[in-house]
Amino acid sequence: GAVVSQHPSWVICKSGTSVKIECRSLDFQATTMFWYRQFPKQSLMLMATSNEGSKATYEQGVEKDKFLINHASLTLSTLTVTSAHPEDSSFYICSAIGTSGIQETQYFGPGTRLLVL
Amino acid sequence: GQNIDQPTEMTATEGAIVQINCTYQTSGFNGLFWYQQHAGEAPTFLSYNVLDGLEEKGRFSSFLSRSKGYSYLLLKELQMKDSASYLCAVRDTGYALNFGKGTSLLVTP
Repeated sequence: GAVVSQHPSWVICKSGTSVKIECRSLDFQATTMFWYRQFPKQSLMLMATSNEGSKATYEQGVEKDKFLINHASLTLSTLTVTSAHPEDSSFYICSAIGTSGIQETQYFGPGTRLLVL
Repeated sequence: GQNIDQPTEMTATEGAIVQINCTYQTSGFNGLFWYQQHAGEAPTFLSYNVLDGLEEKGRFSSFLSRSKGYSYLLLKELQMKDSASYLCAVRDTGYALNFGKGTSLLVTP
């Protein structure tokens, strides 16, 4: 089956620093990847859609200069949280489009838990 | 806008059957997905419906009525490991998913 990995799985950083999260599709090429954020006891909120070789499309309310997305290859997308603050502490999950029969199914990575002190 | 509703919590007994409902009002419709999410983990794909009717996959079945904006996930022969959050997600246009807030299912002995 389609496998998506994320690195790191956990990160703790000081306020004001930048954190980079990698999302990789391991056994398929992903032209489109998505970045979600999930706060405790809440659902996944789409942050941005990342297409290989082009600029990411951000959802309303998500600051593109704060959450930098780079989708440089068909198997790798990165999310950089710049100048992180405690309110950015969350569970960040990426997903990638895979093909499963006739539908395009999103396969999720294991998530990255970010804690900003 | 997007509006996806599902119950917040449900409790069921091991070995029983439980039905988790989801209603949606979205600007477009290009498929409905159900995901399972255990605490602290990423969601895992359970089912996909784009046409009306029932899709069965082992102990899990999912139903869709597009005219009613309604879907349900049916879990049979419940096991303790089925305790998790179940997320209903609608794809409107493109491939992005809009998630409901999830239903936390507790399976008791």
